[in-house]
Amino acid sequence: EAGVTQSPTHLIKTRGQQATLRCSPISGHTSVYWYQQALGLGLQFLLWYDEGEERNRGNFPPRFSGRQFPNYSSELNVNALELEDSALYLCASSFLPVYEQYFGPGTRLTVT
Amino acid sequence: RKEVEQDPGPFNVPEGATVAFNCTYSNSASQSFFWYRQDCRKEPKLLMSVYSSGNEDGRFTAQLNRASQYISLLIRDSKLSDSATYLCVVNAGSARQLTFGSGTQLTVLP
Repeated sequence: EAGVTQSPTHLIKTRGQQATLRCSPISGHTSVYWYQQALGLGLQFLLWYDEGEERNRGNFPPRFSGRQFPNYSSELNVNALELEDSALYLCASSFLPVYEQYFGPGTRLTVT
Repeated sequence: RKEVEQDPGPFNVPEGATVAFNCTYSNSASQSFFWYRQDCRKEPKLLMSVYSSGNEDGRFTAQLNRASQYISLLIRDSKLSDSATYLCVVNAGSARQLTFGSGTQLTVLP
């Protein structure tokens, strides 16, 4: 069974641009979560989508947004990129009501 | 106070040693508890879920003490491949949001 997949693997953008990151959950999983892990720091929760709806968001500005599609895949958009947005962005999925989350390999975003 | 606190280490132990990691959490409403491992620049991988009275999986044993809001992970007979960062993770109720500790770094030495 395929795990969580993310694309692209690496993304290089300049300050002020927009970035779009994509995630496909494990087949049968309906919830998708996004996390940010800056270099040397812990994982910070960004967003949770379930059944196409945003269910919860972490303490991040509105320029971090996303959506979940009918096939449960998800997109994370980061507008007006800032240097400090450089990080590993991890997507995870889970099957309700089970709580275990399984992570994809991440997208490494570099903002120059 | 951080929601999930772990000793950052590093723990450097010889092969075959037994090592224990501890973790405390602040939200008494927390319902689910997990240990993940993360290798350098890789994604976290679920190691164990921790339920009520704790559980064991081979060389790994996890314990939960709700009264003290404390979780532990014991690794017996350490292998070189156990070298990683171990993340204590807590879910606080219906928000379905996992809160990660900052991780404990383990290096198993030959």
